[in-house]
Amino acid sequence: DSGVTQTPKHLITATGQRVTLRCSPRSGDLSVYWYQQSLDQGLQFLIHYYNGEERAKGNILERFSAQQFPDLHSELNLSSLELGDSALYFCASSVAPSGRSEEQYFGPGTRLTVT
Amino acid sequence: GESVGLHLPTLSVQEGDNSIINCAYSNSASDYFIWYKQESGKGPQFIIDIRSNMDKRQGQRVTVLLNKTVKHLSLQIAATQPGDSAVYFCAENRPGAGSYQLTFGKGTKLSVIP
Repeated sequence: DSGVTQTPKHLITATGQRVTLRCSPRSGDLSVYWYQQSLDQGLQFLIHYYNGEERAKGNILERFSAQQFPDLHSELNLSSLELGDSALYFCASSVAPSGRSEEQYFGPGTRLTVT
Repeated sequence: GESVGLHLPTLSVQEGDNSIINCAYSNSASDYFIWYKQESGKGPQFIIDIRSNMDKRQGQRVTVLLNKTVKHLSLQIAATQPGDSAVYFCAENRPGAGSYQLTFGKGTKLSVIP
């Protein structure tokens, strides 16, 4: 158990809908990263938040957005869902924003299925 | 674009033998590398890391070797056990813009034959 929690574990929804995925980092970690894992693209970095502020964006679509709240939990919002958005979504947390210790601890993931 | 890739997508190893999983990276600016293990239905699990000022690092039954000359990374697992069966990813950490972003390889599936 990495100490990172994600909810829900599974999510099935229809095209065009909007969903919110939730992540709670390990106790004491200030950074939260979101990743998408699909069969054809592998693990792709989406976005990074540190202590409530966005620090970096990766391959994140404009239909997707995220935020990190004062209690450090984070939410990933996916809107206007398409079939191709079906994937595993992981969040990871770490202590530092860009320090020398950048071990990222991953949560169990949310499996999103868009039908 | 630049990416991290793997030489072998699948690897079958007899229980008790040593396993070697290879990875090529292309970004010479990357200065930190990590190996992750992902079991079915779970998130990636940190195994071992290495910084670019090192060429070898050992953990418990695992060793990571880094060859910066040819941009190659390998993970060696000693006395492979059935519990080692999983997909292994290498990832590179590229410094920039105040954030470290992990770029993952495609993964190698390790199957341990009892």
